[in-house]
Amino acid sequence: KAGVTQTPRYLIKTRGQQVTLSCSPISGHRSVSWYQQTPGQGLQFLFEYFSETQRNKGNFPGRFSGRQFSNSRSEMNVSTLELGDSALYLCASSLVGQSSGANVLTFGAGSRLTVL
Amino acid sequence: GQQVMQIPQYQHVQEGEDFTTYCNSSTTLSNIQWYKQRPGGHPVFLIQLVKSGEVKKQKRLTFQFGEAKKNSSLHITATQTTDVGTYFCAGPPGSARQLTFGSGTQLTVLP
Repeated sequence: KAGVTQTPRYLIKTRGQQVTLSCSPISGHRSVSWYQQTPGQGLQFLFEYFSETQRNKGNFPGRFSGRQFSNSRSEMNVSTLELGDSALYLCASSLVGQSSGANVLTFGAGSRLTVL
Repeated sequence: GQQVMQIPQYQHVQEGEDFTTYCNSSTTLSNIQWYKQRPGGHPVFLIQLVKSGEVKKQKRLTFQFGEAKKNSSLHITATQTTDVGTYFCAGPPGSARQLTFGSGTQLTVLP
């Protein structure tokens, strides 16, 4: 079956712009989590959505937001981009929510955002 | 805050040598997972450990979960060039529900 699909794979924005990233989870997976990966900070948890509801949120400013649709597809938005937002944004889906012990994550290839 | 630490950050080994990475949490973990990220790739799930003192093997890879469920290790016997990548541990520390990833150990295998 198809894996986790993220679009776009690469994008370049300038400071102050906003960006929307999309994630289509594995069919049947209801949980979608977003992580930011940078060389200096590693994998940082952004938020998790389950059945269209945000379940968990990491320690990121309000400029970072997300949502999940009824088909489990998810989008994340970053407004007023800053240079420090340059990163690989990874989406991961799981069959059940992260509060479950069976919370194995399947990651997408990521969206690499460069902010100039 | 709740943290998951990994050491070493980098490791260079000659092909055929063994490799070990260690993961330590400041709080008890309900389970520990290990992921591998190849250069330019994305993290891929390797294994999950749930029980205190659990040991699991996958071919040349041996995973251990500490008795106190606060630490874990990944040991690779006789490394190969295909083992190159960054190995991450991840767990939901304490009362947290989301997976917190360790800082990762970047393994380089020299032929």
